[in-house]
Amino acid sequence: QLQLQESGPGLVKPSETLSLTCSVSGGSISSSSYCWGWIRQPPGKGLEWIGSICYTGSTYYNPSLKSRVTISVATSENQFSLRLTSVTAADTSVYYCAREGYAEYFQHWGQGTLVSVSS
Amino acid sequence: QSVLTQPPSVSGAPGQRVTISCTGSTSNIGAGYDVHWYQQLPGTAPKLLIYAGNNRPSGVPDRFSASKSGTSAYLAITGLQAEDEADYYCQSYDYSLSGSRVFGTGTKVTVL
Repeated sequence: QLQLQESGPGLVKPSETLSLTCSVSGGSISSSSYCWGWIRQPPGKGLEWIGSICYTGSTYYNPSLKSRVTISVATSENQFSLRLTSVTAADTSVYYCAREGYAEYFQHWGQGTLVSVSS
Repeated sequence: QSVLTQPPSVSGAPGQRVTISCTGSTSNIGAGYDVHWYQQLPGTAPKLLIYAGNNRPSGVPDRFSASKSGTSAYLAITGLQAEDEADYYCQSYDYSLSGSRVFGTGTKVTVL
């Protein structure tokens, strides 16, 4: 059973960089033809796709966040990561990592981690 | 700003049928891309409910079904149960947004 677990600081100061890691267990992040993504949800609001990285190494980012986002994979550690620069209070959200299925749907989700942006 | 629009809320009595719409455009649903649906219970991560048309992951009851017409997609819940009270999101792909996966605005289903 594939499991994903987000980790990282729960509090980030404005203008700094938010960094999160998603640890994958029950399967190899480098095997098969999958993409791995990040989604966020501000408190009380809807879901927003941040970006995805695929087995080919290709990355896809939400155009509204593209200038601030980097998603990368650490194959040897079976992890993938999110970096979001120059954060503001508007970036306060629960951040989820997920594995996509064959048709760009999010098949497996982590439990989510709340990141607050505040001084 | 989401490119897929859903009604903020729908409600129904136990046993009834409710339908949630997901309205997109010619660059996503109307272009033929698959629509997927998620259920989010309070305080939990979203769960894949229906994928690639009308496919249900193992364990999802057949009370949930999906359809698509033109630039809109629909999620139907028949035989509504108290445990179905949750937020529901549609999701698709939009070619005009550089490989973007796009979510709907979300719909709160209330069981009366």
